[in-house]
Amino acid sequence: DGGITQSPKYLFRKEGQNVTLSCEQNLNHDAMYWYRQDPGQGLRLIYYSQIVNDFQKGDIAEGYSVSREKKESFPLTVTSAQKNPTAFYLCASSSRTLLRDYGYTFGSGTRLTVV
Amino acid sequence: EDKVVQSPLSLVVHEGDTVTLNCSYEVTNFRSLLWYKQEKKAPTFLFMLTSSGIEKKSGRLSSILDKKELFSILNITATQTGDSAIYLCAVTQGGSEKLVFGKGTKLTVNP
Repeated sequence: DGGITQSPKYLFRKEGQNVTLSCEQNLNHDAMYWYRQDPGQGLRLIYYSQIVNDFQKGDIAEGYSVSREKKESFPLTVTSAQKNPTAFYLCASSSRTLLRDYGYTFGSGTRLTVV
Repeated sequence: EDKVVQSPLSLVVHEGDTVTLNCSYEVTNFRSLLWYKQEKKAPTFLFMLTSSGIEKKSGRLSSILDKKELFSILNITATQTGDSAIYLCAVTQGGSEKLVFGKGTKLTVNP
């Protein structure tokens, strides 16, 4: 089955640590996205990538980094510079031909908690 | 600035009630409006709307778009506890591969 997989589902981070959230898709989608979701805030875009080896900052990129070395993979690193990283993180992907009609395909999310 | 505004942000009803969720938008080069349902984790697709006045329907859920007044509504009739979720509205734009999301409406249906 085609889909988008995020791991881990739950992640605990100590203050000062970097952590990496995994996102893999086998849908052959060109574009991939990372969103952060906080209660009452909706989905806020962190980074997105429309093609391999290229990515752009979203609205809240500070304290985060990404890479896109393969079409299938778009990992997100939450660095120690991110002051309030506790949140639910959603990865998504899309194809140009299906974007208008279906929007994104979403992963199941990673809940990150700073302890 | 492109924006999508949903109202209300939160809603609590009893089983059997009918609810109407609102989504207004101000974006350049509008292409389509999408509704998603998010229960615990991944948002799942409900409807895509591009044309004014044409109702999309799926069971107890229906949605319609008004491109003149720039809004959409999502109706849920005879609500059930399983309808409890966050409902997200998003807009696609020509020339962009990013969706513009509203903040969502959190619906709670009590038995």
